[in-house]
Amino acid sequence: KQEVTQIPAALSVPEGENLVLNCSFTDSAIYNLQWFRQDPGKGLTSLLLIQSSQREQTSGRLNASLDKSSGRSTLYIAASQPGDSATYLCALLYGNKLVFGAGTILRVKS
Amino acid sequence: DTEVTQTPKHLVMGMTNKKSLKCEQHMGHRAMYWYKQKAKKPPELMFVYSYEKLSINESVPSRFSPECPNSSLLNLHLHALQPEDSALYLCASSLGEGGYNEQFFGPGTRLTVL
Repeated sequence: KQEVTQIPAALSVPEGENLVLNCSFTDSAIYNLQWFRQDPGKGLTSLLLIQSSQREQTSGRLNASLDKSSGRSTLYIAASQPGDSATYLCALLYGNKLVFGAGTILRVKS
Repeated sequence: DTEVTQTPKHLVMGMTNKKSLKCEQHMGHRAMYWYKQKAKKPPELMFVYSYEKLSINESVPSRFSPECPNSSLLNLHLHALQPEDSALYLCASSLGEGGYNEQFFGPGTRLTVL
């Protein structure tokens, strides 16, 4: 059974800091890994998708890496802004299901 | 059109009411999903449709009844719900089911059962 853990559960940083969110999983037999952002009471916005054969993906200030052998992914956010405040969810496509972590609540203070 | 739309945005219903949630996509995706998300929890899969046929039912109570009338439209019919069914209901779609297919999510319907 696939289990996904996200650390830390919550993070509060001053504006401008670079930060790393962590996601770990127990079974490396995944098709892909998605990082999502969710604002309070809203739907999920897909930030980055890493296929199982890839090591990283970049979009603007975001960089996500994937190490299947160690069961880990990281989301790096450069030069954080107050608008980055949200919950960040890691999800694995495992079999034909998307398995989510519990999320990291990020607050960027101005 | 690269988005998934959901209506209504908010829904309040009594335990004896019958209501429906609607989800649409026009990206040519052939897999569509319903998820339920309780406050401060990650989404939980409820149903998967692939090529308009029910592929996965995650042991969801029969008071939730999904329907996929065509490849662009997914409904969730609600009847005799309980207050604990209050949650954010999210719809998603992907090009195909499983495999390497990225899922795209709608904005959700906030359901409150009184």
